Amino acid sequence: AQRVTQPEKLLSVFKGAPVELKCNYSYSGSPELFWYVQYSRQRLQLLLRHISRESIKGFTADLNKGETSFHLKKPFAQEEDSAMYYCALNVRFGAGTRLTVKP
Amino acid sequence: GAVVSQHPSWVICKSGTSVKIECRSLDFQATTMFWYRQFPKQSLMLMATSNEGSKATYEQGVEKDKFLINHASLTLSTLTVTSAHPEDSSFYICSAPQPGGTEAFFGQGTRLTVV
Repeated sequence: AQRVTQPEKLLSVFKGAPVELKCNYSYSGSPELFWYVQYSRQRLQLLLRHISRESIKGFTADLNKGETSFHLKKPFAQEEDSAMYYCALNVRFGAGTRLTVKP
Repeated sequence: GAVVSQHPSWVICKSGTSVKIECRSLDFQATTMFWYRQFPKQSLMLMATSNEGSKATYEQGVEKDKFLINHASLTLSTLTVTSAHPEDSSFYICSAPQPGGTEAFFGQGTRLTVV
């Protein structure tokens, strides 16, 4: 069975602090993992996918098959990063983490 | 980027009536579309996979007779909530992957309120 877990519903950091949003998955096959972001009053949009190994808006995410994790990281959070973040395994979504970056 | 549009953005209907929600891919063809349901402050729950020209694949626990999905063309999938009840009130979202890619593009969602 496919399962993706985001253990933190809420995460709050100060501007300029590092941030890590956790995502763990369970899947017997070769996973396709994504991070999606939803800003206030906007539709869901893709932030990162593991196959591209890119950095978007300063965010990176590395697939760790040994730990079955795909954590999202940013070294210096900005206020505009405040949003809802969803980790997705193929087309299934985790519960989401609401990130708040305080000034 | 690719655009997926849902219509209507919101709808209010009476109990017992049926409501149709449309999901269109505006600038690409989508042989597959996905329908999700999102409860307040909760995540997106995959309801079904809509396949152009064939029957939809429903997730476990989703009533196929309640949520009718039709994918009649490469740019349009519809979700019909039949005999709606207040517990069907929710935010319904569709998505479509761009051909040749794995990224999914999302509609803006439809808020259904059944009174």
